[in-house]
Amino acid sequence: ILNVEQSPQSLHVQEGDSTNFTCSFPSSNFYALHWYRWETAKSPEALFVMTLNGDEKKKGRISATLNTKEGYSYLYIKGSQPEDSATYLCASRNTDKLIFGTGTRLQVFP
Amino acid sequence: DSGVTQTPKHLITATGQRVTLRCSPRSGDLSVYWYQQSLDQGLQFLIQYYNGEERAKGNILERFSAQQFPDLHSELNLSSLELGDSALYFCASSVGGLNQPQHFGDGTRLSIL
Repeated sequence: ILNVEQSPQSLHVQEGDSTNFTCSFPSSNFYALHWYRWETAKSPEALFVMTLNGDEKKKGRISATLNTKEGYSYLYIKGSQPEDSATYLCASRNTDKLIFGTGTRLQVFP
Repeated sequence: DSGVTQTPKHLITATGQRVTLRCSPRSGDLSVYWYQQSLDQGLQFLIQYYNGEERAKGNILERFSAQQFPDLHSELNLSSLELGDSALYFCASSVGGLNQPQHFGDGTRLSIL
């Protein structure tokens, strides 16, 4: 994989549902994986930065895992709420720069 | 509030013109990054400065240049503007390098008429 890819592109879930999405990144020369939350009309907000294979991070109902050997990270949201509606971006550092994916747009319906 | 300030918020200008976008990083942050987000595209990295020195370059056009001043604020200069330069330009800052989270400003929306 030469690029950072996120799937699905968009997701609609009901309030209370748990959901997850994927970020795939180059596994060679890996340094760090970032997750950001981007609400409409606002700026991206940092969620996690992970560097170690097997790393897991948690912030409230949101958690993320990292597999550097196979080049993927999962972001999980437990019990989605309407305020979780946003685009979730991941970015991989494989060289001297961050490469961003195009994001997963999550919409949570009440 | 991320603590990163970008001005102006909106800029409308014509083709061939030159503009300067400004960014004040979060207090204590030494690194400044510039990104471009065009319609239907993700965030594209342009350039990074660390404590006044250029650290990394992305796909930044030759018509674009940037600098970081001793007080750590940064400016992105865009010249000979073309219609395709219309985009949202973000500045972000971090304490150190790329293993630190980045804090984004609200962006400058540039429209070329």
